[in-house]
Amino acid sequence: EVQLVESGGGLVQPGGSLRLSCTASGFNFNNYEMNWVRQAPGKGLEWVAYISSGGTSIYYADSVKGRFTISRDNAKNSLYLQMNSLRAEDTAVYYCARVLLRACDYWGQGTLITVSS
Amino acid sequence: SYDLTQPPSVSVSPGQTASITCSGDKLGDKYVWWYQQRSGQSPVLVMSQNNKRPSRIPERFSGSNSGNTATLTITETQAMDEADYYCQAWDTNNYVFGPGTKVTVL
Repeated sequence: EVQLVESGGGLVQPGGSLRLSCTASGFNFNNYEMNWVRQAPGKGLEWVAYISSGGTSIYYADSVKGRFTISRDNAKNSLYLQMNSLRAEDTAVYYCARVLLRACDYWGQGTLITVSS
Repeated sequence: SYDLTQPPSVSVSPGQTASITCSGDKLGDKYVWWYQQRSGQSPVLVMSQNNKRPSRIPERFSGSNSGNTATLTITETQAMDEADYYCQAWDTNNYVFGPGTKVTVL
Protein backbone atom coordinates (compact mmCIF):
# COMPACT_ATOMS: atom_id res chain seq x y z
CA GLU A 1 0.00 0.00 0.00
CA VAL A 2 1.34 3.42 -0.97
CA GLN A 3 1.75 5.66 2.06
CA LEU A 4 3.02 9.22 2.32
CA VAL A 5 3.37 10.73 5.78
CA GLU A 6 4.20 14.41 6.21
CA SER A 7 5.68 15.87 9.38
CA GLY A 8 7.29 19.05 10.62
CA GLY A 9 4.31 21.38 10.62
CA GLY A 10 3.51 23.87 13.31
CA LEU A 11 3.34 27.52 14.30
CA VAL A 12 6.14 29.80 13.12
CA GLN A 13 6.60 33.56 13.23
CA PRO A 14 6.72 35.66 10.07
CA GLY A 15 10.23 35.62 8.67
CA GLY A 16 10.97 32.29 10.30
CA SER A 17 11.94 28.94 8.85
CA LEU A 18 10.57 25.43 8.92
CA ARG A 19 11.51 22.11 7.34
CA LEU A 20 8.85 19.66 6.27
CA SER A 21 9.48 15.97 5.73
CA CYS A 22 7.52 13.34 3.84
CA THR A 23 8.29 9.68 4.41
CA ALA A 24 7.23 7.29 1.68
CA SER A 25 6.50 3.58 1.83
CA GLY A 26 4.81 0.90 -0.23
CA PHE A 27 6.52 1.77 -3.50
CA ASN A 28 9.96 2.23 -5.00
CA PHE A 29 10.47 5.86 -3.97
CA ASN A 30 13.57 6.46 -6.06
CA ASN A 31 11.62 5.71 -9.26
CA TYR A 32 9.08 8.49 -8.77
CA GLU A 33 8.94 12.25 -9.16
CA MET A 34 7.37 14.10 -6.25
CA ASN A 35 5.42 17.30 -5.62
CA TRP A 36 4.57 19.53 -2.69
CA VAL A 37 1.09 21.02 -2.93
CA ARG A 38 -0.52 23.34 -0.38
CA GLN A 39 -4.02 24.42 0.54
CA ALA A 40 -4.71 27.58 2.52
CA PRO A 41 -7.62 27.36 4.98
CA GLY A 42 -10.88 27.26 3.03
CA LYS A 43 -9.08 27.72 -0.28
CA GLY A 44 -8.11 25.61 -3.27
CA LEU A 45 -5.03 23.59 -4.13
CA GLU A 46 -1.79 25.36 -5.04
CA TRP A 47 1.23 23.56 -6.45
CA VAL A 48 4.43 24.52 -4.60
CA ALA A 49 7.40 22.52 -5.89
CA TYR A 50 8.45 19.52 -7.99
CA ILE A 51 11.50 17.28 -7.91
CA SER A 52 12.49 14.56 -10.35
CA SER A 53 13.20 11.02 -9.24
CA GLY A 54 16.94 11.58 -9.10
CA GLY A 55 16.67 15.11 -7.80
CA THR A 56 18.32 16.66 -10.83
CA SER A 57 15.27 18.61 -12.06
CA ILE A 58 13.51 20.99 -9.69
CA TYR A 59 10.76 23.52 -10.33
CA TYR A 60 8.99 26.01 -8.06
CA ALA A 61 5.85 28.08 -8.10
CA ASP A 62 6.62 31.78 -8.49
CA SER A 63 5.06 32.43 -5.07
CA VAL A 64 7.80 30.45 -3.27
CA LYS A 65 10.78 30.76 -5.61
CA GLY A 66 13.88 31.90 -3.76
CA ARG A 67 12.38 31.11 -0.35
CA PHE A 68 11.58 27.38 -0.47
CA THR A 69 13.90 24.49 -1.35
CA ILE A 70 12.71 21.01 -2.27
CA SER A 71 15.04 18.05 -1.85
CA ARG A 72 14.98 14.30 -1.40
CA ASP A 73 17.01 11.48 0.11
CA ASN A 74 16.24 8.32 -1.83
CA ALA A 75 18.20 6.20 0.61
CA LYS A 76 15.79 7.29 3.34
CA ASN A 77 12.65 7.27 1.16
CA SER A 78 12.16 10.88 2.17
CA LEU A 79 11.12 14.15 0.58
CA TYR A 80 11.78 17.55 2.15
CA LEU A 81 10.69 21.15 1.89
CA GLN A 82 12.87 23.79 3.49
CA MET A 83 10.81 26.94 3.94
CA ASN A 84 12.54 30.24 4.72
CA SER A 85 11.32 33.83 5.04
CA LEU A 86 7.85 32.59 5.82
CA ARG A 87 4.89 34.91 5.34
CA ALA A 88 1.32 34.90 6.61
CA GLU A 89 0.16 33.86 3.14
CA ASP A 90 2.20 30.66 3.42
CA THR A 91 -0.24 29.44 6.07
CA ALA A 92 -1.70 26.23 4.66
CA VAL A 93 -1.88 22.49 4.83
CA TYR A 94 1.10 21.14 2.93
CA TYR A 95 0.73 17.84 1.10
CA CYS A 96 3.38 15.71 -0.47
CA ALA A 97 2.20 13.84 -3.53
CA ARG A 98 3.65 11.13 -5.72
CA VAL A 99 3.81 12.07 -9.39
CA LEU A 100 2.93 9.69 -12.21
CA LEU A 101 2.75 11.03 -15.76
CA ARG A 102 2.29 14.58 -14.40
CA ALA A 103 -0.56 13.55 -12.12
CA CYS A 104 -0.46 13.52 -8.34
CA ASP A 105 -1.63 9.94 -8.01
CA TYR A 106 -1.17 9.54 -4.26
CA TRP A 107 -1.30 12.19 -1.54
CA GLY A 108 -0.28 12.29 2.08
CA GLN A 109 -2.59 13.41 4.87
CA GLY A 110 -0.98 16.84 4.99
CA THR A 111 0.71 18.90 7.69
CA LEU A 112 -0.49 22.34 8.81
CA ILE A 113 1.82 25.33 8.76
CA THR A 114 0.62 28.46 10.54
CA VAL A 115 2.63 31.63 10.08
CA SER A 116 1.64 34.12 12.74
CA SER A 117 3.11 36.30 15.45
CA SER B 1 1.07 32.13 -16.39
CA TYR B 2 -1.62 29.69 -17.42
CA ASP B 3 -5.03 29.96 -15.77
CA LEU B 4 -7.88 27.50 -15.36
CA THR B 5 -11.48 28.45 -14.62
CA GLN B 6 -14.15 26.33 -12.93
CA PRO B 7 -17.69 27.13 -11.79
CA PRO B 8 -17.74 27.60 -8.01
CA SER B 9 -20.59 25.16 -7.49
CA VAL B 10 -22.72 22.50 -9.14
CA SER B 11 -25.85 20.96 -7.66
CA VAL B 12 -27.22 17.58 -8.66
CA SER B 13 -29.97 15.27 -7.50
CA PRO B 14 -29.10 11.70 -6.50
CA GLY B 15 -29.09 9.42 -9.52
CA GLN B 16 -28.71 12.29 -11.96
CA THR B 17 -25.69 13.42 -13.99
CA ALA B 18 -23.26 16.10 -12.82
CA SER B 19 -20.98 17.87 -15.29
CA ILE B 20 -18.04 19.90 -14.01
CA THR B 21 -16.22 22.11 -16.48
CA CYS B 22 -12.68 23.43 -16.54
CA SER B 23 -11.71 26.12 -19.03
CA GLY B 24 -8.39 27.42 -20.26
CA ASP B 25 -6.79 28.81 -23.39
CA LYS B 26 -6.44 25.94 -25.89
CA LEU B 27 -6.92 23.51 -23.01
CA GLY B 28 -7.77 20.78 -25.51
CA ASP B 29 -4.13 20.79 -26.58
CA LYS B 30 -3.08 19.78 -23.08
CA TYR B 31 -3.78 16.88 -20.78
CA VAL B 32 -6.13 17.50 -17.84
CA TRP B 33 -6.31 15.64 -14.56
CA TRP B 34 -9.16 15.75 -12.00
CA TYR B 35 -9.10 15.39 -8.22
CA GLN B 36 -11.86 14.81 -5.71
CA GLN B 37 -11.50 16.19 -2.20
CA ARG B 38 -14.13 15.23 0.32
CA SER B 39 -14.52 17.41 3.38
CA GLY B 40 -11.56 17.07 5.73
CA GLN B 41 -9.73 14.60 3.50
CA SER B 42 -6.76 14.64 1.15
CA PRO B 43 -7.36 14.92 -2.60
CA VAL B 44 -7.84 11.76 -4.65
CA LEU B 45 -7.05 11.44 -8.36
CA VAL B 46 -10.27 10.51 -10.17
CA MET B 47 -9.34 11.13 -13.82
CA SER B 48 -6.01 11.13 -15.58
CA GLN B 49 -4.92 12.44 -18.98
CA ASN B 50 -8.39 13.72 -19.89
CA ASN B 51 -10.28 10.44 -19.82
CA LYS B 52 -8.26 7.69 -18.13
CA ARG B 53 -9.95 6.50 -14.98
CA PRO B 54 -7.71 5.03 -12.22
CA SER B 55 -8.67 1.46 -11.43
CA ARG B 56 -10.03 2.28 -7.99
CA ILE B 57 -12.44 4.95 -9.34
CA PRO B 58 -16.04 3.93 -10.19
CA GLU B 59 -17.08 3.71 -13.84
CA ARG B 60 -19.66 6.46 -13.33
CA PHE B 61 -16.77 8.96 -13.57
CA SER B 62 -15.72 9.97 -17.09
CA GLY B 63 -13.78 12.79 -18.67
CA SER B 64 -13.34 14.67 -21.92
CA ASN B 65 -11.29 17.58 -23.21
CA SER B 66 -11.73 19.57 -26.40
CA GLY B 67 -11.28 23.13 -27.54
CA ASN B 68 -10.99 25.32 -24.47
CA THR B 69 -12.97 23.13 -22.08
CA ALA B 70 -12.44 19.91 -20.20
CA THR B 71 -15.36 18.18 -18.52
CA LEU B 72 -15.62 15.69 -15.68
CA THR B 73 -18.95 13.87 -15.78
CA ILE B 74 -20.44 11.89 -12.94
CA THR B 75 -23.40 9.72 -13.95
CA GLU B 76 -25.83 8.21 -11.44
CA THR B 77 -24.47 10.59 -8.81
CA GLN B 78 -24.41 9.31 -5.26
CA ALA B 79 -24.28 11.09 -1.93
CA MET B 80 -20.65 9.98 -1.53
CA ASP B 81 -19.74 12.02 -4.63
CA GLU B 82 -20.40 15.26 -2.75
CA ALA B 83 -16.99 16.94 -2.66
CA ASP B 84 -14.78 19.64 -4.12
CA TYR B 85 -13.39 18.81 -7.55
CA TYR B 86 -10.22 20.34 -8.97
CA CYS B 87 -8.90 20.19 -12.51
CA GLN B 88 -5.18 20.33 -13.16
CA ALA B 89 -3.04 20.95 -16.21
CA TRP B 90 0.69 21.15 -16.80
CA ASP B 91 2.24 24.17 -18.49
CA THR B 92 5.95 24.81 -18.94
CA ASN B 93 7.26 23.23 -15.75
CA ASN B 94 4.26 24.38 -13.73
CA TYR B 95 1.42 22.34 -12.32
CA VAL B 96 -1.70 24.46 -12.59
CA PHE B 97 -4.84 23.77 -10.54
CA GLY B 98 -8.25 25.18 -11.20
CA PRO B 99 -10.02 27.01 -8.35
CA GLY B 100 -12.29 24.05 -7.62
CA THR B 101 -15.98 23.25 -7.94
CA LYS B 102 -18.11 22.26 -4.99
CA VAL B 103 -20.52 19.50 -6.00
CA THR B 104 -23.60 19.29 -3.81
CA VAL B 105 -25.86 16.26 -4.00
CA LEU B 106 -29.30 17.49 -3.00
